[in-house]
Amino acid sequence: EAQVTQNPRYLITVTGKKLTVTCSQNMNHEYMSWYRQDPGLGLRQIYYSMNVEVTDKGDVPEGYKVSRKEKRNFPLILESPSPNQTSLYFCASSAGGIDEQFFGPGTRLTVL
Amino acid sequence: EDQVTQSPEALRLQEGESSSLNCSYTVSGLRGLFWYRQDPGKGPEFLFTLYSAGEEKEKERLKATLTKKESFLHITAPKPEDSATYLCAPAPGSARQLTFGSGTQLTVLP
Repeated sequence: EAQVTQNPRYLITVTGKKLTVTCSQNMNHEYMSWYRQDPGLGLRQIYYSMNVEVTDKGDVPEGYKVSRKEKRNFPLILESPSPNQTSLYFCASSAGGIDEQFFGPGTRLTVL
Repeated sequence: EDQVTQSPEALRLQEGESSSLNCSYTVSGLRGLFWYRQDPGKGPEFLFTLYSAGEEKEKERLKATLTKKESFLHITAPKPEDSATYLCAPAPGSARQLTFGSGTQLTVLP
């Protein structure tokens, strides 16, 4: 089954404790992306990757890091999480750039 | 500056009551306009891509249309299972990233 998977689905952590949210897709897609979704602000892009070893900032990259060492994986790293990073995070992938993105199930992160 | 506005923010319909959702945009050199559906607590699900003014696409009770400044998502005889948030995202010609509108939360009452 074609899918985008994210782990963990739920995470509660404390300020400053480094964490990684994993994202994996099994569709051999070149484009992958991370979004955060907040009430009243909608979906905002954090980082995206056009291919292996190619990443670029989205609209809200501050406080996040990403890497793309393999085509299928695109982890999101929070080196020192802060409460304002409490949000619902989505990973997405597509075969052709921004076209028809497939979204993962989401990761709900709470930073205390 | 590229902008996208969706209206209304929320819409409540009775089952069978047709209506339209609006997505107004200003982008330079539109590459395409995307519509997604999002159920509570889940990731958005792709519905349509429209590429040029005058284009229309249909899927079950949904029909999306595009003009040079707006896109409409028409819902004909909706059912409760059509309840969701509908998101639009216009992409400028050089787009490598997508900017989503804030969405219209649709509720269809039985």
